[in-house]
Amino acid sequence: SQQGEEDPQALSIQEGENATMNCSYKTSINNLQWYRQNSGRGLVHLILIRSNEREKHSGRLRVTLDTSKKSSSLLITASRAADTASYFCATAGRLGFGGGADGLTFGKGTHLIIQP
Amino acid sequence: GAGVSQSPSNKVTEKGKDVELRCDPISGHTALYWYRQSLGQGLEFLIYFQGNSAPDKSGLPSDRFSAERTGGSVSTLTIQRTQQEDSAVYLCASSLAGAWGGEQFFGPGTRLTVL
Repeated sequence: SQQGEEDPQALSIQEGENATMNCSYKTSINNLQWYRQNSGRGLVHLILIRSNEREKHSGRLRVTLDTSKKSSSLLITASRAADTASYFCATAGRLGFGGGADGLTFGKGTHLIIQP
Repeated sequence: GAGVSQSPSNKVTEKGKDVELRCDPISGHTALYWYRQSLGQGLEFLIYFQGNSAPDKSGLPSDRFSAERTGGSVSTLTIQRTQQEDSAVYLCASSLAGAWGGEQFFGPGTRLTVL
């Protein structure tokens, strides 16, 4: 079953603008990860944030995690045409809390289109 | 080194036939995962191997699905008596031992079409 729900389902912005995507989940987690998928490079890991972290940065990416609200956001700053892709959040369950052991539980994704 | 590879990249089969999908993980990665992605959907976890054993088979959708891993490396996902609802992209991923819920490296997938 789907754990994460991304919001919005689709997002179209102009190149250079910032893009924000949100993810909500249902059960206790060990960590939350964001992945990008496009036809050229398949599914690629972007960033991982642990349950005891609140914010993390990697280049133009900024991820926040609010475990009290069971939500996360991914911000891409200064977007580029190459950022056009689908973005998925994925959660890793806490040991002993089920969730498919080491299997990640993915949301349905946000399709991001960067207009040149 | 090389990334995760999968074969075939595309497979078209007739309903009722059996298919085998292969995954070659990154060398040294002891954890291997299979996922399924239907059109426009997220990834659905199927099965996880640590070494050659599969402690978690809870995600397999039916008893027509089975998987094995030999030598702690290559894995094969077998679907018997395929049905049209089995049509999807099957993705394999691997990760380092002990990487509880850590970064997973995905292969390009096998697109399965059941006619």
